[in-house]
Amino acid sequence: DTGVSQNPRHKITKRGQNVTFRCDPISEHNRLYWYRQTLGQGPEFLTYFQNEAQLEKSRLLSDRFSAERPKGSFSTLEIQRTEQGDSAMYLCASSLDSSGNTIYFGEGSWLTVV
Amino acid sequence: DQQVKQNSPSLSVQEGRISILNCDYTNSMFDYFLWYKKYPAEGPTFLISISSIKDKNEDGRFTVFLNKSAKHLSLHIVPSQPGDSAVYFCAASPYSGGGADGLTFGKGTHLIIQP
Repeated sequence: DTGVSQNPRHKITKRGQNVTFRCDPISEHNRLYWYRQTLGQGPEFLTYFQNEAQLEKSRLLSDRFSAERPKGSFSTLEIQRTEQGDSAMYLCASSLDSSGNTIYFGEGSWLTVV
Repeated sequence: DQQVKQNSPSLSVQEGRISILNCDYTNSMFDYFLWYKKYPAEGPTFLISISSIKDKNEDGRFTVFLNKSAKHLSLHIVPSQPGDSAVYFCAASPYSGGGADGLTFGKGTHLIIQP
């Protein structure tokens, strides 16, 4: 299966620590997205990349959050000085074009901040 | 302020009957609407979409209806099958091409199909 791959799938960290998630999109997909989902809510848009360029960032993405896609392939999402409110599922998705019906989501990375 | 609302957190339907999931939106700039299905421990999977220039789109057992004047859309599944049990998310975009960079999701409706 060459779908969107995310790791780690689960991460438990102490408040104040830094965490990094990795996303490997479907091969040749030029768009890559990060969403966040908390319990009882739908996914919330964080940011997206067109190749290696980060084109849009949500106001949800505080300065403790940074995302990169250095070579236009895989992407990393880093959260510095984690807070309990950062506990959520972080979803990565990719697509070939801008049409919403071709976006494919990964299985998500669960973050628990204790 | 929630721009996409799914007011039913859960819905129980008997197998073989019609399932109707509802979604309301407040932003008149939304131009493209999508439904995603999500099983536990999996990412959302695209199901069906509709552009604001249409009022109906059908794909097999799934039909989405859009009432733009009421800012309301619904997903009909008929006949409902056990494998349809999942959480369904309504999503909207202000881009006519359905650009995923602008997707706003509702909170989801948990559909349970009873045998």
